[in-house]
Amino acid sequence: AQKVTQAQTEISVVEKEDVTLDCVYETRDTTYYLFWYKQPPSGELVFLIRRNSFDEQNEISGRYSWNFQKSTSSFNFTITASQVVDSAVYFCALSEADKLVFGAGTILRVKS
Amino acid sequence: DSGVTQTPKHLITATGQRVTLRCSPRSGDLSVYWYQQSLDQGLQFLIQYYNGEERAKGNILERFSAQQFPDLHSELNLSSLELGDSALYFCASSVVGTGYSPLHFGNGTRLTVT
Repeated sequence: AQKVTQAQTEISVVEKEDVTLDCVYETRDTTYYLFWYKQPPSGELVFLIRRNSFDEQNEISGRYSWNFQKSTSSFNFTITASQVVDSAVYFCALSEADKLVFGAGTILRVKS
Repeated sequence: DSGVTQTPKHLITATGQRVTLRCSPRSGDLSVYWYQQSLDQGLQFLIQYYNGEERAKGNILERFSAQQFPDLHSELNLSSLELGDSALYFCASSVVGTGYSPLHFGNGTRLTVT
């Protein structure tokens, strides 16, 4: 069965610091998809990015960037120049058949 | 706004009772998923429907059931409620399966069983 590990339970940073959220996954599938979601204090789950297993190019979107390394089964998420509004729980997820398997999440607290 | 609508936002009920959670997927999405989020279990997949048919089942208790109607909205029925059923229940939708498109989540229904 697929498994997603987010070893960092909670991270606290000061505004403008860069922060990386780690995600390690396990799968026997050759084709799979990885996702990141954000859950702000208001509670909704917001889709951030999807990456398929054949595309190892890193992706940058504004202050967000993602580093996918198949060799280490990792899909890490970096926020550059963090802001208070980035405070949320971030979930990494892996496709398994037609559903998503989520990691336990990392709580990010950005202090001003 | 994800386009997925869940009602009600909050629900408080007593042990032993039955409740129904409702979800309207995004326009054009045929697949509906239900997830449960609790502090000790995290985000757990419950069940998936595609165009009215059950497609996948996860850690869903026998006391829980769901269905997807011809207009594609879905309902999750929770019966004989226990204190441990208190959680945030999310509905999500996608065009087909997660391999093709991400899941778009509603704002959730927070269930409190007292």
